[in-house]
Amino acid sequence: GAGVSQSPSNKVTEKGKDVELRCDPISGHTALYWYRQSLGQGLEFLIYFQGNSAPDKSGLPSDRFSAERTGGSVSTLTIQRTQQEDSAVYLCASSLFTSGGNEQYFGPGTRLTVT
Amino acid sequence: QKEVEQNSGPLSVPEGAIASLNCTYSDRGSQSFFWYRQYSGKSPELIMFIYSNGDKEDGRFTAQLNKASQYVSLLIRDSQPSDSATYLCAVYYGGSQGNLIFGKGTKLSVKP
Repeated sequence: GAGVSQSPSNKVTEKGKDVELRCDPISGHTALYWYRQSLGQGLEFLIYFQGNSAPDKSGLPSDRFSAERTGGSVSTLTIQRTQQEDSAVYLCASSLFTSGGNEQYFGPGTRLTVT
Repeated sequence: QKEVEQNSGPLSVPEGAIASLNCTYSDRGSQSFFWYRQYSGKSPELIMFIYSNGDKEDGRFTAQLNKASQYVSLLIRDSQPSDSATYLCAVYYGGSQGNLIFGKGTKLSVKP
């Protein structure tokens, strides 16, 4: 079946502009996650959705970051007034999120470059 | 602070050898454990998960979990040059947040 898809695959933007990143999870997966990975760094958790709800937004790095999920499916991560330190690969993952485990499957990522 | 520790490597093994990748985690309440493979410029790919103490085998891969020692490992038998990648250990601590805590990864190089 189809995996997690993300768009765009690459985004170059000028400092101060807003950007929207999109994630389409695996069909039937109720849980959706956003992570980011800076060059040579580990994965940093940003936000988690169960259905359309995000119980805890404390992972978002600043109030310039926001995310929403509609219809229990597609999610959008928005970064307002982008800064150079926002440059990273933004990864989306989805899972069934059962009580026994939480296998997460990643999309190909969006590489964001802020100039 | 929940942490997952991995040796950054690089770990270099000859083709056909066994590669052993190790990971320790800080929270005894951890529930499930995952190994991801990440090729350069690509996203992480789930290759193994383990929930119970002991060994779990899948083809050339074996995951080993020792909850008493807070230690999880990945063995790759008959290593191939195509196995050269960064291997990420991830831990699910449970609770409502759902996110995985990732180690920084071990870079594996398999020499022909």
